[in-house]
Amino acid sequence: QSALTQPASVSGSPGQSITISCTGTSSDVGSYNLVSWYQQHPGKAPKLMIYEGSKRPSGVSNRFSGSKSGNTASLTISGLQAEDEADYYCCSYAGSSTYVVFGGGTKLTVL
Amino acid sequence: QVQLVQSGAEVKKPGSSVKVSCKASGGTFSSYTISWVRQAPGQGLEWMGRIIPILGIANYAQKFQGRVTITADKSTSTAYMELSSLRSEDTAVYYCAREVDLYYFDYWGQGTLVTVSS
Repeated sequence: QSALTQPASVSGSPGQSITISCTGTSSDVGSYNLVSWYQQHPGKAPKLMIYEGSKRPSGVSNRFSGSKSGNTASLTISGLQAEDEADYYCCSYAGSSTYVVFGGGTKLTVL
Repeated sequence: QVQLVQSGAEVKKPGSSVKVSCKASGGTFSSYTISWVRQAPGQGLEWMGRIIPILGIANYAQKFQGRVTITADKSTSTAYMELSSLRSEDTAVYYCAREVDLYYFDYWGQGTLVTVSS
């Protein structure tokens, strides 16, 4: 069982927007705005998409955005494209003894 | 541009140990933090621990305490992850990644498949 809870799957049609939730606790997501999101295509290494809750690394499309409310962080992908189909993982700082926790991952299907 | 290149796939017997390497290029290795993250077949990502070469400090996830050792050789810009007392559940792809600000990972190695089988 992962420390952060994500839906197992989400889907959307090209051009639509989807949101993936990531629910933690007051010990991780709720206490720190230090959530990151990763995209992983089959057989590939994860790729950083969002850090510090809502910041995008250079080269990541502005169709990807992050936010947080309470113990839940969210990743929104707007204008869905076929190449967005992948697994997405959230990750949060969890303090000086647990360090880092991941979500269980969400499979995004573009219909 | 940072690049992390890992050692090749391994097949190990239960009860044995495995040591995976991660060679970095680009940037200043001693200023990095390198983490190890594993992914069992069809499963999610799991953080195992990190090494801060400039401080010579390693932190480990509680789940792996006592079974994992993460080290770094600054002279060769290489980090290592050794996992002992292997069992079938340790079969996974092991990734090294550069960790920033102790919580996010901006560069990843290509992954190393470790298979534990009798």
